[in-house]
Amino acid sequence: ELKVEQNPLFLSMQEGKNYTIYCNYSTTSDRLYWYRQDPGKSLESLFVLLSNGAVKQEGRLMASLDTKARLSTLHITAAVHDLSATYFCAALNRDDKIIFGKGTRLHILP
Amino acid sequence: DAGVIQSPRHEVTEMGQEVTLRCKPISGHDYLFWYRQTMMRGLELLIYFNNNVPIDDSGMPEDRFSAKMPNASFSTLKIQPSEPRDSAVYFCASSPASWDRGGTGELFFGEGSRLTVL
Repeated sequence: ELKVEQNPLFLSMQEGKNYTIYCNYSTTSDRLYWYRQDPGKSLESLFVLLSNGAVKQEGRLMASLDTKARLSTLHITAAVHDLSATYFCAALNRDDKIIFGKGTRLHILP
Repeated sequence: DAGVIQSPRHEVTEMGQEVTLRCKPISGHDYLFWYRQTMMRGLELLIYFNNNVPIDDSGMPEDRFSAKMPNASFSTLKIQPSEPRDSAVYFCASSPASWDRGGTGELFFGEGSRLTVL
């Protein structure tokens, strides 16, 4: 059964710094997703990664996928307070179910 | 498009009462998912439908939970009888296309229904 693990689960960082969130998944998956959730809000799709070596960037966020290592990363460059949120990765399993990690709560200090 | 619409946004009920949560997916989306979110267990997939047919309900916690999708534009999740441990945010999400036909499988979430069972 597919399991998705994120680390760290909580991250507090200063504005202007760089950091990376890691997402490991336990079995082969063809799709990897990143979502953002603000407190009390819904989940917003950030990236969909479809193949090994895929890299996508939007503003200060960049996501990548290594299917051989079963690893995806979400890199934050020069963090700003507006990026404070919980970030989830999710993977598609062979039964067409999308399984989510527990999320990384990111707190960016001014 | 208005996006995925869920109702009610908030529900407070007493243990033993029946709860019905509603979802209207994005028009044209073939897949509909129900997730439950709690602090302890994170996001759990309860059930999903393809073209109104339930495909996998293995995540439904107990027989007290049931879900239906009578047509392409409406789904319900029912809890009867409700218990305090059912308190959570319930999300409905829809997806436009099957991944095995080239679709990305990207999910579009509703705003959620926050359920509190006293």
